[in-house]
Amino acid sequence: NAGVTQTPKFQVLKTGQSMTLQCAQDMNHEYMSWYRQDPGMGLRLIHYSVGAGITDQGEVPNGYNVSRSTTEDFPLRLLSAAPSQTSVYFCASRDSSTDTQYFGPGTRLTVL
Amino acid sequence: RKEVEQDPGPFNVPEGATVAFNCTYSNSASQSFFWYRQDCRKEPKLLMSVYSSGNEDGRFTAQLNRASQYISLLIRDSKLSDSATYLCVVRGGSQGNLIFGKGTKLSVKP
Repeated sequence: NAGVTQTPKFQVLKTGQSMTLQCAQDMNHEYMSWYRQDPGMGLRLIHYSVGAGITDQGEVPNGYNVSRSTTEDFPLRLLSAAPSQTSVYFCASRDSSTDTQYFGPGTRLTVL
Repeated sequence: RKEVEQDPGPFNVPEGATVAFNCTYSNSASQSFFWYRQDCRKEPKLLMSVYSSGNEDGRFTAQLNRASQYISLLIRDSKLSDSATYLCVVRGGSQGNLIFGKGTKLSVKP
């Protein structure tokens, strides 16, 4: 059981580049979400999805897009990377029956 | 006022000590409460849910006081392996998203 997987683990971008962070889960969870974690700021919600075809903004959505075409996948797109987007990004899915949220291992992104 | 507030620590304690973490939350309509644990450079993982009646899991005891909007975590007989950051988490709002505190860092020394 792979749980929540994320790729890549590390990424360095130049300002203005775009990229997609991949996230997949094999637990058939309807709810998925993306967080960023910065020193002294804690985990902040970027976007979330309550099911395939449904997405919504979290606390810090600017500069990011998401889509949810399948239950399994929830990619996060950086449209035009900025140094302020240097962070650790975590994808998560939630088991609604136990109210437990499972996190992927994270992607460490540096924008130069 | 921040939605979930925790003392950032660090708490430096010797092995065998008892340590308590506290957390307050601002939204009285919050629905569920949790403690997550995060090891250095790793993802957060659920430690335990927190119930109104209080609950215990081995050396860990969690308490919730809805009237005071206060959550606590007590760790007895601390082990070196308990060294981590402990995140207070509240679920609430219209979509039931999780709101994380900034975490309290615990370091257990031999």
